[in-house]
Amino acid sequence: ILNVEQSPQSLHVQEGDSTNFTCSFPSSNFYALHWYRWETAKSPEALFVMTLNGDEKKKGRISATLNTKEGYSYLYIKGSQPEDSATYLCAFIKGGGADGLTFGKGTHLIIQP
Amino acid sequence: ETGVTQTPRHLVMGMTNKKSLKCEQHLGHNAMYWYKQSAKKPLELMFVYNFKEQTENNSVPSRFSPECPNSSHLFLHLHTLQPEDSALYLCASSPQLQETQYFGPGTRLLVL
Repeated sequence: ILNVEQSPQSLHVQEGDSTNFTCSFPSSNFYALHWYRWETAKSPEALFVMTLNGDEKKKGRISATLNTKEGYSYLYIKGSQPEDSATYLCAFIKGGGADGLTFGKGTHLIIQP
Repeated sequence: ETGVTQTPRHLVMGMTNKKSLKCEQHLGHNAMYWYKQSAKKPLELMFVYNFKEQTENNSVPSRFSPECPNSSHLFLHLHTLQPEDSALYLCASSPQLQETQYFGPGTRLLVL
């Protein structure tokens, strides 16, 4: 059983503040890590696919880093806006031919105006 | 819109009913997936299809039966479900296995 843990489970952030949260995953047999954003009443939407140790990816005010040796990834949001309110999911793919994603429970982010 | 559609969006069924969930993608993707989201649990992978062939069955009970007639369509046939099967069922597709997945809106299923 693969263990993908996300923390914190939920987070309240003031509009304009920056924030970050963590995804931890097995450090052995790594293939890729995905980040998704899931807004209420919508479908999960892909943010990043990360494959290399030390990877840093950025999309607007959102960025992510990856450390495959220690098994963690951080997602950062700079200058939070109300539209950033969503659940942020990370998902792990192990090497060796596994085809599907193993998801964490997500971090539920609420931006307070 | 992600290009992945699911019908119905909501479904209520009794334990003796037979029903089917449908997923369709118009993205030209080769891989399709079924996931289940129960309350307070992470998204759980159920089935994976690649070029219409099932490549992964994640120990799913036989009362769930997938069907993939072509790369654009995926079904989940439901038969004699239990109340604990009530959940959100999400379909996804990706260009190839292990690439970014595009999710449908889900079917909210209630088993009485």
